[in-house]
Amino acid sequence: AQRVTQPEKLLSVFKGAPVELKCNYSYSGSPELFWYVQYSRQRLQLLLRHISRESIKGFTADLNKGETSFHLKKPFAQEEDSAMYYCALFRWPDHTGKLIFGQGTTLQVKP
Amino acid sequence: EAQVTQNPRYLITVTGKKLTVTCSQNMNHEYMSWYRQDPGLGLRQIYYSMNVEVTDKGDVPEGYKVSRKEKRNFPLILESPSPNQTSLYFCASRIQGYDTQPQHFGDGTRLSIL
Repeated sequence: AQRVTQPEKLLSVFKGAPVELKCNYSYSGSPELFWYVQYSRQRLQLLLRHISRESIKGFTADLNKGETSFHLKKPFAQEEDSAMYYCALFRWPDHTGKLIFGQGTTLQVKP
Repeated sequence: EAQVTQNPRYLITVTGKKLTVTCSQNMNHEYMSWYRQDPGLGLRQIYYSMNVEVTDKGDVPEGYKVSRKEKRNFPLILESPSPNQTSLYFCASRIQGYDTQPQHFGDGTRLSIL
């Protein structure tokens, strides 16, 4: 079955340190991968998607099909980055239109 | 402003008392979906709708119902709520189910079933 795994429930770093939030997926077809972020008591919002290859708020993520990973990285963490981060997979093509979410990783950036 | 609106934001109720959580989007999106968010389990899809009058079960549909009579609205109905349905619920919409455009989420509804 297709799934998304985020192995860390909590990642705690100091301000200015590099950050890497891990995401691994299992899907043999053509995946579309996303990172969503949820700041405290707010709605989930799209952070970035692999197809656009953008850098948003200093975050980047590269799809590695060989390792089936889509890790989220930022070279220097800021306190405002503290949030819950979800990796999500869309199976292309998929008649259900479903996004499969990982369990989420809470990023805590300490001053 | 383009948005997905859920109501209520918070609700405390008792076992067995029927409740409805409303969801409305103003973006003319065809695809709408309900998720529940539980610690350690992430977001799990309850029901989804590809278009008006087309709904289908997600991963955890037991105890829930939905309807899609109009494009903009997708209410979630708990006919006989139970404590294991205490959770944070999110409604989401997307232009179409088949495309990879980002989903837009509502602010969430926190339900507590006593």
